[in-house]
Amino acid sequence: DIQMTQSPSSLSASVGDRVAITCRASQSISDYLNWYQQKPGKAPRLLIYAASSLQGGVPLRFSGSGSRTDFTLTISNLQPEDSATYYCQQSYSVPRTFGQGTKVEI
Amino acid sequence: QVQLVQSGAVVKKPGSSARVSCLASGDIFKTHSFNWVRQAPGQGLEWMGKIVPVLGTVTNSQKFQGRVTFSANESTSTAYMEFNSLTSEDTAIYYCATEGRPPQKFQYWGQGTLVTVSS
Repeated sequence: DIQMTQSPSSLSASVGDRVAITCRASQSISDYLNWYQQKPGKAPRLLIYAASSLQGGVPLRFSGSGSRTDFTLTISNLQPEDSATYYCQQSYSVPRTFGQGTKVEI
Repeated sequence: QVQLVQSGAVVKKPGSSARVSCLASGDIFKTHSFNWVRQAPGQGLEWMGKIVPVLGTVTNSQKFQGRVTFSANESTSTAYMEFNSLTSEDTAIYYCATEGRPPQKFQYWGQGTLVTVSS
């Protein structure tokens, strides 16, 4: 199974800040990497797919980069509604696996 | 507009089974796989397996092999997950999520179903 490791596990930032969350795969996954946002009591929401493609309806302040084993989710101009837990997930192979999550507090 | 609507919360005794349904609206039943993801209280997301209704193929996570069954009814656009031999460690929210054509991603999610296992 491909292991996905996120860092940090949590972070605290202020409105308007730029934050970055990293995700490392245990083997190369090309660009088969997706990012999700989950708020308490809600289902996850797709933000970024194929490492850097923005899902429709997602604000432009969210961006993704990386390939092979190292990936980054960047949130620019952080807003109060961005307070959530963020997960990376590989779609390179089954079983599909997720990172452990990064909790962002604002 | 695609929507996935799951069945309601249930409480089950240890050793029993639970079945969760996922009703799909919109024209995705013939083009998407239906995946099941669970989330224990305060924990992360864990993929359990998937079914491709149009092909009838099932892929299970090895962790749940032998305890979980995935099925789908094309006539009602409903996917099902049945989980056997429940223990308290299976208490979690269970989500269905669909994957379409490449690049594959969990684009649509159900609202989640809380399964509580308690004596």
